[in-house]
Amino acid sequence: TQLLEQSPQFLSIQEGENLTVYCNSSSVFSSLQWYRQEPGEGPVLLVTVVTGGEVKKLKRLTFQFGDARKDSSLHITAAQPGDTGLYLCAGPITQGGSEKLVFGKGMKLTVNP
Amino acid sequence: KAGVTQTPRYLIKTRGQQVTLSCSPISGHRSVSWYQQTPGQGLQFLFEYFSETQRNKGNFPGRFSGRQFSNSRSEMNVSTLELGDSALYLCASSLDELAPLLEYTDTQYFGPGTRLTVL
Repeated sequence: TQLLEQSPQFLSIQEGENLTVYCNSSSVFSSLQWYRQEPGEGPVLLVTVVTGGEVKKLKRLTFQFGDARKDSSLHITAAQPGDTGLYLCAGPITQGGSEKLVFGKGMKLTVNP
Repeated sequence: KAGVTQTPRYLIKTRGQQVTLSCSPISGHRSVSWYQQTPGQGLQFLFEYFSETQRNKGNFPGRFSGRQFSNSRSEMNVSTLELGDSALYLCASSLDELAPLLEYTDTQYFGPGTRLTVL
């Protein structure tokens, strides 16, 4: 069972369009992170949201953490070909007294010029 | 500062063989985590090492093992390879050993991964 569910799993859009990707869970998280992974590379952290209801903006990217801290969304405005990649959400869970990161399966975005 | 480096970048093995992958963390980082990434299961946590000790472990069989050296470099080993072990193996390093105690998620910096193909 996937602790973090992402939707959609795939998205192909034209340059200039807007999009939103969702990350949902039935569990409460102390924080959630968003990463972008490009082909042949490891994931790169975009943002960490820690407060329920929090909204963070990073240029054309807007991240929101749900009030109940069970979900998050990433909205991209006026997508560009350089936004192409795999977008992953991740959250920490405590297991056996230690913390580890669990990831959603990701949303593969293709932005066509 | 140099980023996280992983060697080799690509590897082809046959079933039954064993493989060792290497990870050099960012200078000064003492925590190294390993992940397996496949299209079907996504990114899954393998284990984490801190100060040469395994601090956390995911739900993988005992064929997957790792270690960390005094200079924080880490290796992971997979014995008796199976076709299903084909994946991208990622290592990530982080700095702050107090993060788990203070209950915040430290930033992990990922390497480019080792692409393992088992034939």
